[in-house]
Amino acid sequence: DAGITQSPRHKVTETGTPVTLRCHQTENHRYMYWYRQDPGHGLRLIHYSYGVKDTDKGEVSDGYSVSRSKTEDFLLTLESATSSQTSVYFCAISEPRTSGRGEQFFGPGTRLTVL
Amino acid sequence: AQSVTQPDIHITVSEGASLELRCNYSYGATPYLFWYVQSPGQGLQLLLKYFSGDTLVQGIKGFEAEFKRSQSSFNLRKPSVHWSDAAEYFCAVGLRGGSNYKLTFGKGTLLTVNP
Repeated sequence: DAGITQSPRHKVTETGTPVTLRCHQTENHRYMYWYRQDPGHGLRLIHYSYGVKDTDKGEVSDGYSVSRSKTEDFLLTLESATSSQTSVYFCAISEPRTSGRGEQFFGPGTRLTVL
Repeated sequence: AQSVTQPDIHITVSEGASLELRCNYSYGATPYLFWYVQSPGQGLQLLLKYFSGDTLVQGIKGFEAEFKRSQSSFNLRKPSVHWSDAAEYFCAVGLRGGSNYKLTFGKGTLLTVNP
């Protein structure tokens, strides 16, 4: 399995509080992604990164920000959590230089509940 | 923009029966195609992929998929289902020639296996 860890694995928080989720990889892959998974919606891309300090928005980026200061870490921040952000969050990585088609490998997920 | 449709939200089969999960995509050219599997509480695992060449591709766990350009389909098959195959299955497409290496996922098909 690809070396991808996510922390925390579970979190319960209250509306209005800031939350940061961490994705850590040991594969030295250039691309990293954050998705959310909700019943009936499949996986939806929140943000992605194509290098250190290089990030871009996905289809559901409102209310989320990201940062990538090192190749191995990609942080997802909810500045002020809302109940609509209750979801399971997945990190993925990809390295087009070795797999030119951009296949992605996924972390174990973080279950976030916003009360 | 490309899109992916998995027409079946939930499929139930008996153990030992054959399986086919449908996936249709909308895209102006032949995309890269993937099938992922997600066991309960787990991340997504890559089952198989199609880039070019032979339209019948083999994957892990005895799965195969066939790309049919005329039908814009990439259906997943298994000749004999095992109870451990119960999971959710996601089809995904990636763009050719792009530099952002993003995937678009279908909403998933949940597979239940009866003993």
